[in-house]
Amino acid sequence: NAGVTQTPKFQVLKTGQSMTLQCAQDMNHNSMYWYRQDPGMGLRLIYYSASEGTTDKGEVPNGYNVSRLNKREFSLRLESAAPSQTSVYFCASSSGDTSGNTIYFGEGSWLTVV
Amino acid sequence: QKEVEQNSGPLSVPEGAIASLNCTYSDRGSQSFFWYRQYSGKSPELIMFIYSNGDKEDGRFTAQLNKASQYVSLLIRDSQPSDSATYLCAAFSGGYNKLIFGAGTRLAVHP
Repeated sequence: NAGVTQTPKFQVLKTGQSMTLQCAQDMNHNSMYWYRQDPGMGLRLIYYSASEGTTDKGEVPNGYNVSRLNKREFSLRLESAAPSQTSVYFCASSSGDTSGNTIYFGEGSWLTVV
Repeated sequence: QKEVEQNSGPLSVPEGAIASLNCTYSDRGSQSFFWYRQYSGKSPELIMFIYSNGDKEDGRFTAQLNKASQYVSLLIRDSQPSDSATYLCAAFSGGYNKLIFGAGTRLAVHP
């Protein structure tokens, strides 16, 4: 009953370091998403992947890269972390249907860049 | 202008009252709409979705959609202190296959 699993849950980085957030889903979903959440800003879409082999920019893609490794996995990479990337990151997945589509979230990754 | 707009609140209601949460969206191509509840430090959890004009009821929750006015609302009847959370409205744009969230409305239900 895993659903969407993301790692790590907590991470502290120094400015300029790189890291990858990992995400995997076991629901055979086509679409996967990475969001960031900052106080008072709600969830903002960073990148999404409508299906295996495709990725597209969301609202705030600058400073990030993604890889849809296979249908299950969608990773988010910070090449050179900046303090402005301190945030909570959520991975999510959905079936991709246009109606009644439900998105399921992972538990979040708390990232601090110092 | 954000694609999905919500009043940030806080919206304060007494226990047992009806809480009314509102949301507007700018993309007329949006096809379905979602309400999520998020407790502090937790991930969002789906309350309900709606994609047809009118009302949809599920227990104490009623979602309302008016596509002509680009307006979505969520009514919570018999509000309980456990309903105190941030409520996120989201619009799904099928053409772009992505879900865009509003900033959320914080609801506080006081005994």
